[in-house]
Amino acid sequence: QKEVEQNSGPLSVPEGAIASLNCTYSDRGSQSFFWYRQYSGKSPELIMSIYSNGDKEDGRFTAQLNKASQYVSLLIRDSQPSDSATYLCAVNLDNTGKLIFGQGTTLQVKP
Amino acid sequence: GAVVSQHPSWVICKSGTSVKIECRSLDFQATTMFWYRQFPKQSLMLMATSNEGSKATYEQGVEKDKFLINHASLTLSTLTVTSAHPEDSSFYICSAKVLRGLSTDTQYFGPGTRLTVL
Repeated sequence: QKEVEQNSGPLSVPEGAIASLNCTYSDRGSQSFFWYRQYSGKSPELIMSIYSNGDKEDGRFTAQLNKASQYVSLLIRDSQPSDSATYLCAVNLDNTGKLIFGQGTTLQVKP
Repeated sequence: GAVVSQHPSWVICKSGTSVKIECRSLDFQATTMFWYRQFPKQSLMLMATSNEGSKATYEQGVEKDKFLINHASLTLSTLTVTSAHPEDSSFYICSAKVLRGLSTDTQYFGPGTRLTVL
């Protein structure tokens, strides 16, 4: 069974700190990786996608991918209380277009 | 760009009735749409893949006769929950995959439909 694993948290960080969210996946053939943010009662919104090993930066967000270790992470710099949400890691299976989601990590940014 | 809408945003119905949920891609064409269900405190679970002009592909354990999916055009997919029961109460979310232009394997999510079956 193809799986995506995340620590459910909650991960609590003070305002202005760096939040580090981690995700591992089981299918070595996975090619596309996504981070979504989901506020309570709302649907997921795309934060970042990453396809190649290494880092990808977009504003305060940096996604990191290591295919050899089957590991993808999301760093949030200068965390704000408005970043408090559940962060979902999703992996696109080969040639199917389907996304497999992790269970999500709840982030709490305290003022 | 890449806006997906859902209608209705919430619905309350009596047990045994059917409910139709619409998913529309507003500013792009989507040959493929996906339907997810999310129970409280849980992650999204893929129910089915909806392809324009063909039958939907259902995930294991999802009853295709209960959850009817129609993808009649490149911008509209519908999910009908037939003979709904209280255990079908959930947050139903659709997503659409961009056909061209933007990254073609990125899924954009609709705002979701909260279904409550009494």
